[in-house]
Amino acid sequence: DTGVSQDPRHKITKRGQNVTFRCDPISEHNRLYWYRQTLGQGPEFLTYFQNEAQLEKSRLLSDRFSAERPKGSFSTLEIQRTEQGDSAMYLCASSLRQGLDGYTFGSGTRLTVV
Amino acid sequence: GENVEQHPSTLSVQEGDSAVIKCTYSDSASNYFPWYKQELGKRPQLIIDIRSNVGEKKDQRIAVTLNKTAKHFSLHITETQPEDSAVYFCAASRYGNEKLTFGTGTRLTIIP
Repeated sequence: DTGVSQDPRHKITKRGQNVTFRCDPISEHNRLYWYRQTLGQGPEFLTYFQNEAQLEKSRLLSDRFSAERPKGSFSTLEIQRTEQGDSAMYLCASSLRQGLDGYTFGSGTRLTVV
Repeated sequence: GENVEQHPSTLSVQEGDSAVIKCTYSDSASNYFPWYKQELGKRPQLIIDIRSNVGEKKDQRIAVTLNKTAKHFSLHITETQPEDSAVYFCAASRYGNEKLTFGTGTRLTIIP
């Protein structure tokens, strides 16, 4: 287990379609985070999990977005009825101890909505 | 919520010179301040972090300073090398609030 894995790396979808992304964190990390990054901006927080519990969601996460971490291991982020404004890099990160360890980011999933 | 501002947005320095990137934060309760380096098309990588119980931390050519009173912190890179060229992000969080709030990034270019 060498890092945080995200799948797919790239996704092109038509407006209105649903997409799902997967993140596999570092195995011993109990905290998992989803961020969104658009060109020229810093990552923006979407949501985070401690084990299987989703403990915080950003207002950026509209009702079209849902995230799960059913067994406290991998996580999925689903976007329903995609819009062009959803085009971004979706980054997953994990950490062991908040405030004591930095995040380890995955390579991200680049979503393009056409 | 927390707001982090980062300056400058772009920075060019001659190879071998020093580079300084500055960030300010708004939440006086923030106590953890990491810096990330993101090369083109790659993931952000943690390069150094500092907690509010210290004022400065060094790791080889990289150092971070924190002024809690003024609510600002800075990244210092000495003896810059071409491989230092990247976008650098500062961030802040506080214990008990899991999310990191990131600055808007600084594109650092090292001129050979």
